[in-house]
Amino acid sequence: NAGVTQTPKFQVLKTGQSMTLQCAQDMNHEYMSWYRQDPGMGLRLIHYSVGAGITDQGEVPNGYNVSRSTTEDFPLRLLSAAPSQTSVYFCASSCRTSGNNEQFFGPGTRLTVL
Amino acid sequence: GENVEQHPSTLSVQEGDSAVIKCTYSDSASNYFPWYKQELGKRPQLIIDIRSNVGEKKDQRIAVTLNKTAKHFSLHITETQPEDSAVYFCAARVLKGGKLIFGQGTELSVKP
Repeated sequence: NAGVTQTPKFQVLKTGQSMTLQCAQDMNHEYMSWYRQDPGMGLRLIHYSVGAGITDQGEVPNGYNVSRSTTEDFPLRLLSAAPSQTSVYFCASSCRTSGNNEQFFGPGTRLTVL
Repeated sequence: GENVEQHPSTLSVQEGDSAVIKCTYSDSASNYFPWYKQELGKRPQLIIDIRSNVGEKKDQRIAVTLNKTAKHFSLHITETQPEDSAVYFCAARVLKGGKLIFGQGTELSVKP
């Protein structure tokens, strides 16, 4: 199992550009989520999904879109990048139907918006 | 709203001492409380978790306690070692959607 994978690892954007951060998991997990990590602010939930076709907003959803067309993939789209979106982005997944609720994180994407 | 508060934000201890990190949560229906350790430049990794029907759980040098009435839980690390130096995050799984809400993190430094 590769676990949770994210691409790219690093990205530099100019203000106003759009891009998609990719996230995939091969553990057949129902639950997937995106977090951003900023110094002193912990991990803040952007969007999450409890299964294919179902998504919901987290704590800081503005400026981001998600979709969940398959169980495996959960891409995060930045529609018009802003310097305030400079951050490290983590995707995570967990299995909701078993007693094991452990959430596994991907390696992260470091995004800089100029 | 759903919120997790974590204290302290930084903690410095001598090797061999104990370290305690405390968290409070707002959603009384929360039923799962994990702790993650994040080393510099790496992803967060689960070190211990506790469910709402348990008051305390221990795994070697680390333990977690939960007080549901007060809505707070704590991480205890005994006999700290330099390799325990990292950022530690608490989290609570809220009822709505089963999402995991994290605290702000504690940077633990263990001095040899």
